[in-house]
Amino acid sequence: LAKTTQPISMDSYEGQEVNITCSHNNIATNDYITWYQQFPSQGPRFIIQGYKTKVTNEVASLFIPADRKSSTLSLPRVSLSDTAVYYCLVGPGESNYQLIWGAGTKLIIKP
Amino acid sequence: DAGITQSPRHKVTETGTPVTLRCHQTENHRYMYWYRQDPGHGLRLIHYSYGVKDTDKGEVSDGYSVSRSKTEDFLLTLESATSSQTSVYFCAISEEGLAGAFQETQYFGPGTRLLVL
Repeated sequence: LAKTTQPISMDSYEGQEVNITCSHNNIATNDYITWYQQFPSQGPRFIIQGYKTKVTNEVASLFIPADRKSSTLSLPRVSLSDTAVYYCLVGPGESNYQLIWGAGTKLIIKP
Repeated sequence: DAGITQSPRHKVTETGTPVTLRCHQTENHRYMYWYRQDPGHGLRLIHYSYGVKDTDKGEVSDGYSVSRSKTEDFLLTLESATSSQTSVYFCAISEEGLAGAFQETQYFGPGTRLLVL
């Protein structure tokens, strides 16, 4: 099963671009990479998902190199409301239960 | 937000007592999941269900059982609670299974905070 590694915490400032990298050296062919955002006392919320190359939606971009052993979540022009914990999820592999969550990156945005 | 509720939202119990947590959805999604979240571990899958009366084990299923008698309800039972089961429990749903289903995502409930003394 793929294990994921993320930085424990990061700081940035309003208006900056923030990049959070997740390492997943043992990612399997059938695995996707998904990122979730979690605010205190709430459940995680889907941000973006990808398999390879680059994916962009209205809130973030996801960069995945050709070897897929890492991925980078990019948040453009962050605001104070982007302060949250961000989780990298690799899976589901061959079945639904091979879901490996990272320990999360606590992102703090300063004014 | 997806229509997912969890009850109770907070519970304090004693070691050795049975505890049942309930997840209720109004989305008619086929798949439902129970996770626990502990500091430094992210989320870990306990059990999941792929239909009424169809369930399977996740990564950390020991000490837990589940039941799903209706599409909208998924129950998590701790038969004899232990202090190691103190955690925040999240229910999640997805319309279909995640395996091989690009763009299929999970929607999470608000969580239940359980303290076992």
